Amino acid sequence: DAMVIQNPRYQVTQFGKPVTLSCSQTLNHNVMYWYQQKSSQAPKLLFHYYDKDFNNEADTPDNFQSRRPNTSFCFLDIRSPGLGDAAMYLCATSRDTDQPQHFGDGTRLSIL
Amino acid sequence: AQTVTQSQPEMSVQEAETVTLSCTYDTSESDYYLFWYKQPPSRQMILVIRQEAYKQQNATENRFSVNFQKAAKSFSLKISDSQLGDAAMYFCAYRSAKGNYQLIWGAGTKLIIKP
Repeated sequence: DAMVIQNPRYQVTQFGKPVTLSCSQTLNHNVMYWYQQKSSQAPKLLFHYYDKDFNNEADTPDNFQSRRPNTSFCFLDIRSPGLGDAAMYLCATSRDTDQPQHFGDGTRLSIL
Repeated sequence: AQTVTQSQPEMSVQEAETVTLSCTYDTSESDYYLFWYKQPPSRQMILVIRQEAYKQQNATENRFSVNFQKAAKSFSLKISDSQLGDAAMYFCAYRSAKGNYQLIWGAGTKLIIKP
């Protein structure tokens, strides 16, 4: 029944070692979002795709990249994770940008 | 720029009682949407309730209802007959009805349910 699926739920990586988080959706929504959420804080939007159009938030570090090879999948790549990148990463989708967002369970990233 | 303020970092309520979470926002726009999201510990962010600014009637979803005061820019969430499963972080969010559709989030309120 899960409509927005994030894998893995928990990811551990080493300082500076590239890591990729994945998100898939069965809703056929046009828009996919990536958020970073640190402990007890609100989610912070990193970027979103409208179909294949990539929209980066102005304050998203260059260290964060994203790929959307098709409608169903979207990836978050962190090229050189620092200790400050340890967080929960949330994927969300919406039919259009003015429609409600549906969230996945998140991936909790730890940096050693 | 729009802002959303949740002034209560934490609230607690006895099971079966009613609790109200407060949210205020600042905007110069007249057309927008307001949301309450629930995020249980280690679980998915879920949309609880949504309010269109042009509607005067307060939105209701079962035990959840809002008190939307447009002039005061206030959007509180009332949870009736609180249940243990209501324990979560609750986030208030704002979104413009045109132009930038990014959600503007409040800092969240942690709701504790006492058995």
